[in-house]
Amino acid sequence: GAGVSQSPRYKVAKRGQDVALRCDPISGHVSLFWYQQALGQGPEFLTYFQNEAQLDKSGLPSDRFFAERPEGSVSTLKIQRTQQEDSAVYLCASSLGTVNEQYFGPGTRLTVT
Amino acid sequence: AQRVTQPEKLLSVFKGAPVELKCNYSYSGSPELFWYVQYSRQRLQLLLRHISRESIKGFTADLNKGETSFHLKKPFAQEEDSAMYYCALSGGGADGLTFGKGTHLIIQP
Repeated sequence: GAGVSQSPRYKVAKRGQDVALRCDPISGHVSLFWYQQALGQGPEFLTYFQNEAQLDKSGLPSDRFFAERPEGSVSTLKIQRTQQEDSAVYLCASSLGTVNEQYFGPGTRLTVT
Repeated sequence: AQRVTQPEKLLSVFKGAPVELKCNYSYSGSPELFWYVQYSRQRLQLLLRHISRESIKGFTADLNKGETSFHLKKPFAQEEDSAMYYCALSGGGADGLTFGKGTHLIIQP
């Protein structure tokens, strides 16, 4: 079956613009995670959903970052008024439950100019 | 705070030589430890997790709670092992993963 997909794969935004990044998890996966990976670093946790409920958003770096998963499937990570420090690869992962293996998407590479 | 440290940014070994990628962690509790791998132009994927105690692609990792380490080992490296390797930790349950910065493993022919 299809794995986790993310779109767009690449996004260039001018500083101050809003962006929306989409994640399609594996069908039936309850848990969905967002990570931010800066160049040369490991992924850093941003937020976690169980179905439509956002249970942990402790990793979101500022109130410019907002994530939603309204129907418990597709998720969108929105970044308002983008800054240069937001440039990174944004990874989405899904898992069947809370303790199962996380399956990662290919990531969206965001460049803020 | 939980933390994962991978001291080597880059590790280069010859084909057939043993490989050890180091991982140390800091966590107050009983964590679950993972190794993830990213081959060139592919997505991040799970290599192994300590609770399964499996050997995957010839790799093994033992959790040493005394030394708070979870080093990844393979006795004979193969060229296809060249990749980025990330050690990761979970506190269990609904935790997101805490990753190390990664080690770029290069296997020379």
